[in-house]
Amino acid sequence: EPEVTQTPSHQVTQMGQEVILHCVPISNHLYFYWYRQILGQKVEFLVSFYNNEISEKSEIFDDQFSVERPDGSNFTLKIRSTKLEDSAMYFCASRGQGLSNQPQHFGDGTRLSIL
Amino acid sequence: DQQVKQNSPSLSVQEGRISILNCDYTNSMFDYFLWYKKYPAEGPTFLISISSIKDKNEDGRFTVFLNKSAKHLSLHIVPSQPGDSAVYFCAAITSNTGKLIFGQGTTLQVKP
Repeated sequence: EPEVTQTPSHQVTQMGQEVILHCVPISNHLYFYWYRQILGQKVEFLVSFYNNEISEKSEIFDDQFSVERPDGSNFTLKIRSTKLEDSAMYFCASRGQGLSNQPQHFGDGTRLSIL
Repeated sequence: DQQVKQNSPSLSVQEGRISILNCDYTNSMFDYFLWYKKYPAEGPTFLISISSIKDKNEDGRFTVFLNKSAKHLSLHIVPSQPGDSAVYFCAAITSNTGKLIFGQGTTLQVKP
């Protein structure tokens, strides 16, 4: 069964550094998402992406964050000038065409640790 | 953001019995509700969904019930198996946004 692949599984970065999280969505999917889960908290929506542009973003997704689909397969989340509070699990998800209730398929996440 | 709430952080049931996981929501604009299962070190895996115009959806051992007037839904697992032990997330979505709003999750333990 096709799956969403995320790399790396764990990223350790010094505060203030930039980090890029990588995702390869399911190949025929058109809608892409990033979520995060801070330890002990809910899974929170960050951003959705369709047709090479952001379709929606949360208030968390400020100028520190950006997303990109640099080629036909990768979907990246860049966090500039990282802060301690950016430490979390970051999940990428994708879904196919059709109604928005089509289930989103999640990767196994990247654990980001900011020191 | 308390639009979706799962008030029970954990649930323990015996193998073969029914597991009932509950979820409440406040936003009447939600169009669909989904349940995801999550094992440690893995991402959430889609289980089952229900449209806001339905009151029941069944898929094998999993049934989701929706009580729209009470803004409450539940996931029933019958019979429960040890492999069902995981964290279960309730999530809701409105068609015009596509973003999932998650509950806090309920950790289910099924004892052999």
